[in-house]
Amino acid sequence: AQKVTQAQTEISVVEKEDVTLDCVYETRDTTYYLFWYKQPPSGELVFLIRRNSFDEQNEISGRYSWNFQKSTSSFNFTITASQVVDSAVYFCALSQNYGQNFVFGPGTRLSVLP
Amino acid sequence: DGGITQSPKYLFRKEGQNVTLSCEQNLNHDAMYWYRQDPGQGLRLIYYSQIVNDFQKGDIAEGYSVSREKKESFPLTVTSAQKNPTAFYLCASRQGTQPQHFGDGTRLSIL
Repeated sequence: AQKVTQAQTEISVVEKEDVTLDCVYETRDTTYYLFWYKQPPSGELVFLIRRNSFDEQNEISGRYSWNFQKSTSSFNFTITASQVVDSAVYFCALSQNYGQNFVFGPGTRLSVLP
Repeated sequence: DGGITQSPKYLFRKEGQNVTLSCEQNLNHDAMYWYRQDPGQGLRLIYYSQIVNDFQKGDIAEGYSVSREKKESFPLTVTSAQKNPTAFYLCASRQGTQPQHFGDGTRLSIL
């Protein structure tokens, strides 16, 4: 069975601090895809990144970076120099097929205080 | 602008009533999805449709029904058989191998 765990339910940081959101997954598949989505207060989910299981290269996009480690089944997300606009719920998700069907983690609520 | 429109944003249902949530997309996407989100939980898949006139049950389809008569529309009916319908409902669409694109959601509450 597939499972995604986001152990941090809520995190609060002060603006400009760095913050890492943890994601641990379970799957027996050798090919799979990992995702991060952001859900701001408006409700929609905003796609942030998709990573396939054969690509363990870390990725950086502006203030966002992702650390994928198959050895520990983790796909952690770091926001550098956080801003108030980063306040949202962040979901990690696992899919067998590019994102046709997901298994979502429970989400981590990030509050960035001014 | 291209996107997904969910309506209404807030919906109230009386006990024993069916209600229908609307989801319309102008992205020309083939696939559409309905998810349910409960507090402190991730999204769970209710139904999905990969092409017009075809749809499949997701993980929690009981008490829900859908139709896909047009490519751009995928309405979800919450029937009276759904005993705990209070939740946030998200619709999404997708084309090919692209990531799913989500709407703003409908919050359903029971009166």
